[in-house]
Amino acid sequence: QVQLVQSGAEVREPGTSVKVSCKASGYTFTGYYFHWVRQAPGQGLEWMGWINPNSGGTNYAQKFQGRVTMTRDTSIGTAYMELSRLTSDDTAVYYCARGRTVPDTAWGQGTLVTVSS
Amino acid sequence: QSALTQPPSASGSPGQSVTISCTGTSSDVGTYDYVSWYQQHPGKAPKLIIYEVTKRPSGVPDRFSGSKSGNTASLTVSGLQAEDEADYYCNSYGGSNNNLFGGGTKLTVL
Repeated sequence: QVQLVQSGAEVREPGTSVKVSCKASGYTFTGYYFHWVRQAPGQGLEWMGWINPNSGGTNYAQKFQGRVTMTRDTSIGTAYMELSRLTSDDTAVYYCARGRTVPDTAWGQGTLVTVSS
Repeated sequence: QSALTQPPSASGSPGQSVTISCTGTSSDVGTYDYVSWYQQHPGKAPKLIIYEVTKRPSGVPDRFSGSKSGNTASLTVSGLQAEDEADYYCNSYGGSNNNLFGGGTKLTVL
């Protein structure tokens, strides 16, 4: 079955970076984009961008441009999202989701990133 | 681009129907038929329940239906059940390869 498995929870100090992974299985890795979506505690969903795992092309939400980098390793079927210059406002659960124009039925379990000094 | 606008809360009794709105602009909801809806229970990942305005993924009950008129999309849940109590989010393609979520609606089954 289609499955996205994300890396574990992270704690970072302000000003540092975090890299979250998302390993796909059960389908052709290059057949769908990876969207990244985050959710701050008690808040709604926020779209961050996507990566086309076939070409490596990316598109980032304007809010995150210059601070987010999405990559992939096709040899191991894994997508990555790296966010730099972290502040406390970046404390959130980060999700990867398979999709094309929009995220579809397959979502990762979420990765909690806590930014605290 | 701003987030799509949803009512913060909605409610209904078991067996009733409830409709949740999602208002965007002519640059997103009004132009593209790429509106989707997600259900999220506490502590869980979102689940796709409607895509491309009206389509339901396999396994989603037909009690869930979607529609769109102008810049506003709607999700209707018919025959409310206790397990429908959750947060619901709309999403729309916004052009220029961008994507927008609504602020979310908490659905309470009374």
